[in-house]
Amino acid sequence: GAVVSQHPSWVICKSGTSVKIECRSLDFQATTMFWYRQFPKQSLMLMATSNEGSKATYEQGVEKDKFLINHASLTLSTLTVTSAHPEDSSFYICSARSQTGAGHQPQHFGDGTRLSIL
Amino acid sequence: RKEVEQDPGPFNVPEGATVAFNCTYSNSASQSFFWYRQDCRKEPKLLMSVYSSGNEDGRFTAQLNRASQYISLLIRDSKLSDSATYLCVVPQLGSGNTGKLIFGQGTTLQVKP
Repeated sequence: GAVVSQHPSWVICKSGTSVKIECRSLDFQATTMFWYRQFPKQSLMLMATSNEGSKATYEQGVEKDKFLINHASLTLSTLTVTSAHPEDSSFYICSARSQTGAGHQPQHFGDGTRLSIL
Repeated sequence: RKEVEQDPGPFNVPEGATVAFNCTYSNSASQSFFWYRQDCRKEPKLLMSVYSSGNEDGRFTAQLNRASQYISLLIRDSKLSDSATYLCVVPQLGSGNTGKLIFGQGTTLQVKP
């Protein structure tokens, strides 16, 4: 089945550091990828939609200058948490669907990145 | 009313039991539905897709009731390894094919020996 890889899986760093997370579709092309954040005991919250070759679409309340998204190819999207602070500590997950997939096709999730800011 | 609503549980059941979860959705035009399983500190993994009246895969059965706007997930002969959070997911409808998903809160299942 479709595989989405996310890297790194765990990051611990000091406050003020910028952290880049990669999301790759390994066996299919993804024009659209999605970035989610999940806090403990809560459901996934969509942060932004990453569109290949164009600007990302951010959900209300998500700072685009804080969470930089780049989707330069059909298999790679990156999320950079700039100047991270302890409140940015969370579980970040990406998902993707096949380029040819219709809206009702399921998405496949990356392994997730657990970000801890000290 | 939430767009996708689930009973968060937890549901505590003994091994071998049959357990069912319900998920209600608000948009009557929704056509496809998904059940994902999420283990603690892990990513969601697709368990089952539902496009028509239902779907069955081994011990797992999903049923769709369009009239009442709910999807159910039935797990028979529960195993310890079934302990997880089960997410009900519905694609968002609207202008264009956005691909956005709407997640339920998730239902936590604990299977006890």
